[in-house]
Amino acid sequence: DAKTTQPNSMESNEEEPVHLPCNHSTISGTDYIHWYLQLPSQGPEYVIHGLTSNVNNRMASLAIAEDRKSSTLILHRATLRDAAVYYCILRGGSNNNDMRFGAGTRLTVKP
Amino acid sequence: NAGVTQTPKFQVLKTGQSMTLQCAQDMNHNSMYWYRQDPGMGLRLIYYSASEGTTDKGEVPNGYNVSRLNKREFSLRLESAAPSQTSVYFCASNRRELPNYGYTFGSGTRLTVV
Repeated sequence: DAKTTQPNSMESNEEEPVHLPCNHSTISGTDYIHWYLQLPSQGPEYVIHGLTSNVNNRMASLAIAEDRKSSTLILHRATLRDAAVYYCILRGGSNNNDMRFGAGTRLTVKP
Repeated sequence: NAGVTQTPKFQVLKTGQSMTLQCAQDMNHNSMYWYRQDPGMGLRLIYYSASEGTTDKGEVPNGYNVSRLNKREFSLRLESAAPSQTSVYFCASNRRELPNYGYTFGSGTRLTVV
């Protein structure tokens, strides 16, 4: 299964943009890139997903490299409420139901 | 619109006891999932149900059974609880078992086995 690599932790200042990187060098042509966040003591929450093109929604933007071997989740203006663990996950391949979570990136937002 | 509802929110069991974790979704989703999350780790898939009437094993199915009671409900049963099953359990649902749909998760059941 294609895997992802994320930094264990990142820090940001409030009201500044945050770029959360994810490497997925073994991604296959049918894999979608999904991002989830998890606030303390809560279940994961879907953020955004994409296949090849960059994607924007009300929560964030997803920038996908041209070779699809990496992607970046962009939070345009970090708030204290954005402090969470962010997971980059690939979905697709032989079993669409086996969505594997890694350890994710713990984002700390400083006021 | 409640989304995914899990009950109970907290539970303490003694080793060897059994219990069933309940999960219900009101979004008319076809696929449902059970995950566990141990401290400091990501989620691991226990079982899933791609559609009503089907269930399949995930990454860590040993010690668990599941029932897809109907389209809305997907329960997880621990027949003989062990301390290694102390974890937070999350239920999730997905409109379709396709990779271009996002999951909706419940708020979790925190289970301690002593």
